[in-house]
Amino acid sequence: ILNVEQSPQSLHVQEGDSTNFTCSFPSSNFYALHWYRWETAKSPEALFVMTLNGDEKKKGRISATLNTKEGYSYLYIKGSQPEDSATYLCANSGGGADGLTFGKGTHLIIQP
Amino acid sequence: DVKVTQSSRYLVKRTGEKVFLECVQDMDHENMFWYRQDPGLGLRLIYFSYDVKMKEKGDIPEGYSVSREKKERFSLILESASTNQTSMYLCASSALAGGVEEQYFGPGTRLTVT
Repeated sequence: ILNVEQSPQSLHVQEGDSTNFTCSFPSSNFYALHWYRWETAKSPEALFVMTLNGDEKKKGRISATLNTKEGYSYLYIKGSQPEDSATYLCANSGGGADGLTFGKGTHLIIQP
Repeated sequence: DVKVTQSSRYLVKRTGEKVFLECVQDMDHENMFWYRQDPGLGLRLIYFSYDVKMKEKGDIPEGYSVSREKKERFSLILESASTNQTSMYLCASSALAGGVEEQYFGPGTRLTVT
């Protein structure tokens, strides 16, 4: 995998259901994996930064895991709420200060 | 809290106009970035700067230039706007935290070129 890829591109989930989506990235030259949440009319907000294989991070109902050997990360949302509706972006950084490489995002819509 | 502000939320310009998009950050960050976001393409890096008066091309610099005269301000310039530059433009600044770069974004400028 040369680029950062996210799937699915969009997702409709019933309120109260749990969901997850995937970020795949090049496993070679890995340094850090970032997850952002981007709500409409707001700035992208950092959720997690992960660097170590096997890392698991949690913030409220949202959690993320990282597998650097196979080059993927999962984002989980437990008990989805309408305020979880957003585009979730993941990005790979190469260790320098030359920007992040972003995936195309997963657009999540929570239906009441 | 880090604050990154952008001069306009919405902007409409005509083809051929010179357009300035301004970005200001208040956290003394060294690095600043300009991205554009288009449906189905994700965020793409246009230019970045790691110091005053320094600039580096990103993945899609064609048709753009930048200016960083002061540490807190990073300007994106469209010398002659074209319709294919209609997009959402996001500015970011970054700092190292625990050896990892963390980027903070502005709210974006939605530019329409007619």
